[in-house]
Amino acid sequence: DVKVTQSSRYLVKRTGEKVFLECVQDMDHENMFWYRQDPGLGLRLIYFSYDVKMKEKGDIPEGYSVSREKKERFSLILESASTNQTSMYLCASSPYRQGSHGYTFGSGTRLTVV
Amino acid sequence: SQQGEEDPQALSIQEGENATMNCSYKTSINNLQWYRQNSGRGLVHLILIRSNEREKHSGRLRVTLDTSKKSSSLLITASRAADTASYFCATDLWQGAQKLVFGQGTRLTINP
Repeated sequence: DVKVTQSSRYLVKRTGEKVFLECVQDMDHENMFWYRQDPGLGLRLIYFSYDVKMKEKGDIPEGYSVSREKKERFSLILESASTNQTSMYLCASSPYRQGSHGYTFGSGTRLTVV
Repeated sequence: SQQGEEDPQALSIQEGENATMNCSYKTSINNLQWYRQNSGRGLVHLILIRSNEREKHSGRLRVTLDTSKKSSSLLITASRAADTASYFCATDLWQGAQKLVFGQGTRLTINP
């Protein structure tokens, strides 16, 4: 069964810490995405990547960075965690660039910044 | 930016009834997709309908797309308790790379 695996289901970090959220897919997908999900705001795109070492800003990139050194791994980095980054973080992947397939999502990481 | 908007925000029906959810969007799309999310989990892809298609079926799911009205609907027939979840529409704007924009979802509750 194809999978997108997020390294942690729940994470608690302190304000100012550098936080790494890891996402690995085993489907050889070109595209990978990071979203955050908040009540009343739905899913908002943070960053995405359509190839190794490529990255594109989404709608809310401020306070975040990403790394894609290998095709299967897409990491989201919170440079200095703040309480307003408490959220559910969802990683997803999809094949190709033509946009003819749905996304496969991971189970999510619920991050709390205290 | 929020492209898709689902209606209603919440829907509660009896098991066995049909559930209809609607999605409106603002700009031209490559395709429109529907996803389900069980509480606290990731999203699961249900169905994709391309901009040149008008209707698509998958099991108990029926999706329609009206590009002239910029709207779509998801119909779940003969609902079951296991259909209780949040349902999201997502529009693929295809601006050089696939990039889905999600609505805020409809919370569906199926009462036994």
